[in-house]
Amino acid sequence: GIQVEQSPPDLILQEGANSTLRCNFSDSVNNLQWFHQNPWGQLINLFYIPSGTKQNGRLSATTVATERYSLLYISSSQTTDSGVYFCAVDRIFNAGGTSYGKLTFGQGTILTVHP
Amino acid sequence: EPEVTQTPSHQVTQMGQEVILRCVPISNHLYFYWYRQILGQKVEFLVSFYNNEISEKSEIFDDQFSVERPDGSNFTLKIRSTKLEDSAMYFCASSGQFLAKNIQYFGAGTRLSVL
Repeated sequence: GIQVEQSPPDLILQEGANSTLRCNFSDSVNNLQWFHQNPWGQLINLFYIPSGTKQNGRLSATTVATERYSLLYISSSQTTDSGVYFCAVDRIFNAGGTSYGKLTFGQGTILTVHP
Repeated sequence: EPEVTQTPSHQVTQMGQEVILRCVPISNHLYFYWYRQILGQKVEFLVSFYNNEISEKSEIFDDQFSVERPDGSNFTLKIRSTKLEDSAMYFCASSGQFLAKNIQYFGAGTRLSVL
């Protein structure tokens, strides 16, 4: 199956710092999503970004599909940004019109932002 | 914004007991999923469900597990005889699109504790 690797595994920042999280994947994908898992365990959708660049406030993401990686940028980090960031990818096999849509997750990056 | 709803938020059970985890997907979605996350680990795919049948299942999804869409709104995961190693966070997800823009929306999760 497809492999997803995230780096770094852990990241510690002071409030106000910027950071870049990376996601490498081993095959072409139809879907790539970035999630933030908050301290309560909830998975919050950040971006759907199988290719291109998107921005949402202090967060932005870029996926270079041809080179099989995606980057998540966090600017001016805040303590509420702390948590685990997951990248997840999906290869959809179109067999008889059925979409399987199985997401494969990376191991995550644990981000800690200190005040 | 529509959301995926999961109940209960926390389930405690004795080993060997049956549990049913419940999910209400987003109303116009057609594809449904269950994932699990053992504490401190990555999120793993269990099963996908479309058109009232299982589309794909992982090796984890053995005979102890079953899924059902008993009516037009609920989607359930049943574990027949729970084991200690079934303790995990279980996430339900749904998506509405075929192939293109297959964004999966996740519920807040059910934390299952098997004693």
